[in-house]
Amino acid sequence: GAVVSQHPSRVICKSGTSVKIECRSLDFQATTMFWYRQFPKKSLMLMATSNEGSKATYEQGVEKDKFLINHASLTLSTLTVTSAHPEDSSFYICSAKGGAGSPLHFGNGTRLTVT
Amino acid sequence: QKEVEQNSGPLSVPEGAIASLNCTYSDRVSQSFFWYRQYSGKSPELIMSIYSNGDKEDGRFTAQLNKASQYVSLLIRDSQPSDSATYLCAVAPFGNEKLTFGTGTRLTIIP
Repeated sequence: GAVVSQHPSRVICKSGTSVKIECRSLDFQATTMFWYRQFPKKSLMLMATSNEGSKATYEQGVEKDKFLINHASLTLSTLTVTSAHPEDSSFYICSAKGGAGSPLHFGNGTRLTVT
Repeated sequence: QKEVEQNSGPLSVPEGAIASLNCTYSDRVSQSFFWYRQYSGKSPELIMSIYSNGDKEDGRFTAQLNKASQYVSLLIRDSQPSDSATYLCAVAPFGNEKLTFGTGTRLTIIP
């Protein structure tokens, strides 16, 4: 069964609103979580690395004030897309890993559509 | 800039034949290499990981790594229609953190 749960799987929102996506590790403590974005027929692009209890590290070109990441516990990280616009429509995927040497597990992704 | 290159395909292979997928990478410090399978609208799932030069076999899958030439490949023997998917190559500098993904190769197995 899934070891990383991502919710919601699909969300449609209006332009200007904010959307929160949750990523939970179900049976392990995730010291690090990663957030990716994937446009149609494109590869996964890393947006940010989230470490429990500290600020996320954003990749170049990713607006930290627009994509708010919170990793308040060892089993939960959230990505909030603030003031969403149609160009933010994408497939957002989280992944999580435990300690050093542990495998990386992906969530099932969230399809965001901004109208 | 770190790059991972893959032929986008589509690659069509008859059922039962061997599918060969290739990937090259630019960052010489890459130490960990992964092949993921992604079905349309789904998240990637790990197929193989390889860390040392040479071949690594797991069932119908064989990963091949050549660090000197900076390429990694995936062979799928006895291809099945269920193998039809996009295959993503990913590399990381160490362990499996901060993966850099290629654009993926779309594979179609023809019954």
